[in-house]
Amino acid sequence: DTAVSQTPKYLVTQMGNDKSIKCEQNLGHDTMYWYKQDSKKFLKIMFSYNNKELIINETVPNRFSPKSPDKAHLNLHINSLELGDSAVYFCASSHVYGQRYGYTFGSGTRLTVV
Amino acid sequence: AQTVTQSQPEMSVQEAETVTLSCTYDTSESNYYLFWYKQPPSRQMILVIRQEAYKQQNATENRFSVNFQKAAKSFSLKISDSQLGDTAMYFCAFMKLTTSGTYKYIFGTGTRLKVLA
Repeated sequence: DTAVSQTPKYLVTQMGNDKSIKCEQNLGHDTMYWYKQDSKKFLKIMFSYNNKELIINETVPNRFSPKSPDKAHLNLHINSLELGDSAVYFCASSHVYGQRYGYTFGSGTRLTVV
Repeated sequence: AQTVTQSQPEMSVQEAETVTLSCTYDTSESNYYLFWYKQPPSRQMILVIRQEAYKQQNATENRFSVNFQKAAKSFSLKISDSQLGDTAMYFCAFMKLTTSGTYKYIFGTGTRLKVLA
């Protein structure tokens, strides 16, 4: 059983397209996150949701829109894709009161914009 | 602003030997949490070990241990009896409480470790 699953694992698309990445966790966690890992392997938080409510929104272009239909799912929709959006996107989850014990990460989605 | 620095972009170690990865951080907070994550070629982020800043005792998890020096703001990872499966990128991370009441990671730039047979 995969604890945090992301789909797709790989995504290749052309500039200007709109794409979505889905994330689901079966751990019963109430907080979910999106992190971006760039080509230099640097990881940075993008968004955090707690019980479907947005609680962290870093300085991310508004072409990126997270959506949480329920606390087990956090999807990431990206409009008008640009070359600079190429990266690995990680979904993660935790209990809100257990954050300081660490997150459980998904295996990442490698997005390549051509 | 908090920063996390990993000064060793790449390291290698012979199988069965010991290696230490360094990490320093900068913060004005007194209570925080520190982590080491491992990212093997599979890309999965795996929690290796964590340390609570208010605990003086260094954390240990099997072959992995840390040397936490709070005054020096240093948090190094020691891997004993290195195994081929330890080959991975290792990220040091500082967890901070945000103004919204939740936590977020500040990651270092990573150290690529290769274990040689």
